Formats: sequence, C-alpha cells, structure tokens
Amino acid sequence: ETGVTQTPRHLVMGMTNKKSLKCEQHLGHNAMYWYKQSAKKPLELMFVYNFKEQTENNSVPSRFSPECPNSSHLFLHLHTLQPEDSALYLCASSPLGGGDQETQYFGPGTRLLVL
Amino acid sequence: GQNIDQPTEMTATEGAIVQINCTYQTSGFNGLFWYQQHAGEAPTFLSYNVLDGLEEKGRFSSFLSRSKGYSYLLLKELQMKDSASYLCAVNGAGSYQLTFGKGTKLSVIP
Repeated sequence: ETGVTQTPRHLVMGMTNKKSLKCEQHLGHNAMYWYKQSAKKPLELMFVYNFKEQTENNSVPSRFSPECPNSSHLFLHLHTLQPEDSALYLCASSPLGGGDQETQYFGPGTRLLVL
Repeated sequence: GQNIDQPTEMTATEGAIVQINCTYQTSGFNGLFWYQQHAGEAPTFLSYNVLDGLEEKGRFSSFLSRSKGYSYLLLKELQMKDSASYLCAVNGAGSYQLTFGKGTKLSVIP
C-alpha cells in the first residue's frame, strides 16, 4: 500500500537540531493528520488539516510546527525537541466526503529519536 | 471526555478463535473503527461499525452495542501473521476525528 508515504522513515536528532518530516498522500483526500505514537500510550492526535486549513491543534508544544502547502502534502517541522518527544510520528489522510464513514489511511510513520 | 479501554495483551493459538473487547465512554458517537498494526508498520483499516450488530468480513468480524458502549473484534482461524496490535478507535459525534485506545497486542503461537 503506497497511498500515504512518509519520509524519512527513521530520524535521529539532537536537541538543538532542526528537521522536517514529510508526508504525501496519493489518494485524492482532503484531510490530513499528524499523530504521535509512544510506547504503551494511545495514538495521540496532534494536528488536523482540512482543505489545507488547520482545524485542530491538540495543545501541541510550539517546538512542533505543521505546514500544509496543498491537500496532498503535509510537513511537521521540528526544532529544539526534548528526549520525551522520541516516538513514532504517523501521518494519515481521509476523504472528508461528509459521509458517516470517514476512514483514515495511515502512512508507515517516521521513527524519531531525540538525543 | 473520551475514554477507550481494551486489554493490553492477549495470546491465542494458531487455528483458534480470539475475541478482543473494547469499551468506550465518549461525548457523542458516530462510529467505531478497528485497525491492525504490525510492529513497525502503519495501522491498516479493518472494520467500521455505526449500527448495533455484527459486521463480518472474511475471517474478521466486528460487533457493536451502542447502548453498552461496547465492541469486539473476532478473529477466526488464527494465522501466525495475525500477530499484531489491534486498535479500537471511536469517532465522536459532530466530528470526523478519531480517539484511539492503547491497542491490544495479540500474539499467535503455534
């Protein structure tokens, strides 16, 4: 399944570094999401974009900065992260078709380690 | 608030049947999803329930009782490749966003 792709797949960074995660969806969807997945914790929704507009920011620290230049691309810019930010970062997209079933399709994730 | 509860781990034998339960308390309800996630991979969609009852899809079935805030995922004829985490997620009313449980790690043994 290559509907949603993410790069890089693995990233190691120091606390003073700046890096960006990229997500691209080839499904023609209009909504995109960033999630954080830490060990033994549920998937945590971070940001939601509908038609390129940010509609949700779930109290995410400002060291995480999303960008959505178009409906197919989503970025997560990282700066001055903390070791507790080490996690799997998942991107997802959904059609935003207005029906009952708004299934989200996930990318493979970026495994981030902050040293 | 939103609360979704599912067992942390389960073990079952190849060829057997296993039921993974999920209970939820959410402010509103517009459907429940089950996802499968193999280690190091993306969650993949398994099933969606919005009405009470059983939805069958091959070896996998999902059940919902809205009055009880309860769902289960039933896996039949277990195969080794079914070893994965199974995530229960609820879509709250008036929202298309999902709230996920912590996931149930299923280990299938020979």
